[in-house]
Amino acid sequence: QKEVEQNSGPLSVPEGAIASLNCTYSDRGSQSFFWYRQYSGKSPELIMFIYSNGDKEDGRFTAQLNKASQYVSLLIRDSQPSDSATYLCAGKAAGNKLTFGGGTRVLVKP
Amino acid sequence: DAGVTQSPTHLIKTRGQQVTLRCSPISGHKSVSWYQQVLGQGPQFIFQYYEKEERGRGNFPDRFSARQFPNYSSELNVNALLLGDSALYLCASSRTSASYEQYFGPGTRLTVT
Repeated sequence: QKEVEQNSGPLSVPEGAIASLNCTYSDRGSQSFFWYRQYSGKSPELIMFIYSNGDKEDGRFTAQLNKASQYVSLLIRDSQPSDSATYLCAGKAAGNKLTFGGGTRVLVKP
Repeated sequence: DAGVTQSPTHLIKTRGQQVTLRCSPISGHKSVSWYQQVLGQGPQFIFQYYEKEERGRGNFPDRFSARQFPNYSSELNVNALLLGDSALYLCASSRTSASYEQYFGPGTRLTVT
């Protein structure tokens, strides 16, 4: 079992709709979670992080964390074609080591 | 402020050779982490350095080594290259060893033939 699991997709979303991405993790020592966006051929770009149970909103993005269920999600509201990318979920225990999932590819269709 | 810089951008090596990759963190950041990303997969943690000391090591063979310099820049060395070492090597910069935000550089694309 991988430590951080994501559906590889692709997740196809119409422009203007909400994209919902999910991530589960197995290490209960993970204390904080991160969502990165990665365009093809580019490096990962930090979107947001969350470390408390509940929701955290930043612009069109909302991260949700449920530590009891070991579940993290990312909602992208009003999806735009420029949101088409691979979204990486990562967990962090002690120190700075990020453990990444395999990523979910999102396609936003005009 | 300049972001994380890495050099070279691309590199082609032959099996058995050695390679050195370089990273300069964001100004004011003292921690550098290295990740390997194979095509189609998420990045995998290799090393973390903070204040010139190794603070973490991932599940990679001893062929992989790294160091951090007094100016906080870092080098990743890989000896006896294998075809499976072909990947995007990413450097991530953060203020401290426990900062939430880690910012990635553009990466070095290594191809081993």
